[in-house]
Amino acid sequence: GALVYQYPRRTICKSGTSMRMECQAVGFQATSVAWYRQSPQKTFELIALSTVNSAIKYEQNFTQEKFPISHPNLSFSSMTVLNAYLEDRGLYLCGARGQGNSDYTFGSGTRLLVI
Amino acid sequence: AQKVTQTQTSISVVEKTTVTMDCVYETRDSSYFLFWYKQTASGEIVFLIRQDSYKKENATVGHYSLNFQKPKSSIGLIITATQIEDSAVYFCAMRLDSNYQLIWGSGTKLIIKP
Repeated sequence: GALVYQYPRRTICKSGTSMRMECQAVGFQATSVAWYRQSPQKTFELIALSTVNSAIKYEQNFTQEKFPISHPNLSFSSMTVLNAYLEDRGLYLCGARGQGNSDYTFGSGTRLLVI
Repeated sequence: AQKVTQTQTSISVVEKTTVTMDCVYETRDSSYFLFWYKQTASGEIVFLIRQDSYKKENATVGHYSLNFQKPKSSIGLIITATQIEDSAVYFCAMRLDSNYQLIWGSGTKLIIKP
């Protein structure tokens, strides 16, 4: 079956530092990877959508300068939160899908705490 | 603009009963897909059930079923014979056929009491 592994599950970083999270697709080719953030008491906001061999598309409130994403092949993607501050805390979720009319499979999320 | 709305922030029921969670959506697209996911205490997102807009029959998977009322743009989730382990936050989401972006509702917290 299609699985998505996301790590780390939980991380704490000091304010102003950066942290990187990774997303691994197993059992299928991750043509597209979507990164979401769930801030405390809120729903999921799309940060960016990455499709292999295409430019990464960031949503309005998110930038490449703050959340650089790498999607080098069909099984792996990573995202870094640069210069993290309190407002960046939350659960970061990666979802991957293959070609055709397949739906997203989600990782277990990376919970970021900023101190 | 596309939007998904869940008005119930929290529901509490006794186990072994049936619960319904509401969700309404907005889109001008004629083809779309509706999903329900649950988020466990650890944050993990689990896919539960999906309804394709062109299908008239309500989807059913295990003890989950949907009440799809297309004229009302409504997709309610029904859980029968609830168990303690069904306690979680339930999210409704929509994906258009024209793109693969998921639009999420705000979630409904379900508490199952013994």
